[in-house]
Amino acid sequence: AQSVTQLDSQVPVFEEAPVELRCNYSSSVSVYLFWYVQYPNQGLQLLLKYLSGSTLVKGINGFEAEFNKSQTSFHLRKPSVHISDTAEYFCAVSETGGGNKLTFGTGTQLKVEL
Amino acid sequence: DSGVTQTPKHLITATGQRVTLRCSPRSGDLSVYWYQQSLDQGLQFLIQYYNGEERAKGNILERFSAQQFPDLHSELNLSSLELGDSALYFCASSGIRERNTIYFGEGSWLTVV
Repeated sequence: AQSVTQLDSQVPVFEEAPVELRCNYSSSVSVYLFWYVQYPNQGLQLLLKYLSGSTLVKGINGFEAEFNKSQTSFHLRKPSVHISDTAEYFCAVSETGGGNKLTFGTGTQLKVEL
Repeated sequence: DSGVTQTPKHLITATGQRVTLRCSPRSGDLSVYWYQQSLDQGLQFLIQYYNGEERAKGNILERFSAQQFPDLHSELNLSSLELGDSALYFCASSGIRERNTIYFGEGSWLTVV
């Protein structure tokens, strides 16, 4: 079984500052990794994913994440945030060959302030 | 817009009642997933169907059931509702076009009073 840890429940940041949202996972098998974003009162939107290949993946809205197998991490970064990035961000994993069942972290609330 | 459609968007019902949530997957997607998002449990996988057959089961209560129809739409039935069933229920789908990636709908907000 897999598990996902998002240690930061809330991350406040000023507009135009860089941000990193941390995600660590645990699994006995190979995994695929995902970040989803949930804007207030909306559904889950796929931000980016790592399936294979380059460990640095780029997603929508200027976000990127780096897969680090040795540290079992998949941290999300953005060099300069905007007010509109205020949302809840969820890291998720699924087992390769496991039928796409996602295990989610508890989420990180990103609050961008002026 | 993910292409996954869920109805209703909001639903308020009383304890002990039964409701049905409906989901239409993205065009061509054969797999449908149901997830529950609540304040105390977070995002939890409930059940997966693939082309009409149950494929995987998660933390789904016995009072809950689901099915996927020949036209690939799915329904989640919640019965004998309790206050604790109040949550956001997501449907998601995946298919051959983008293997290993699932796309979520906007969710159905269920409030049990």
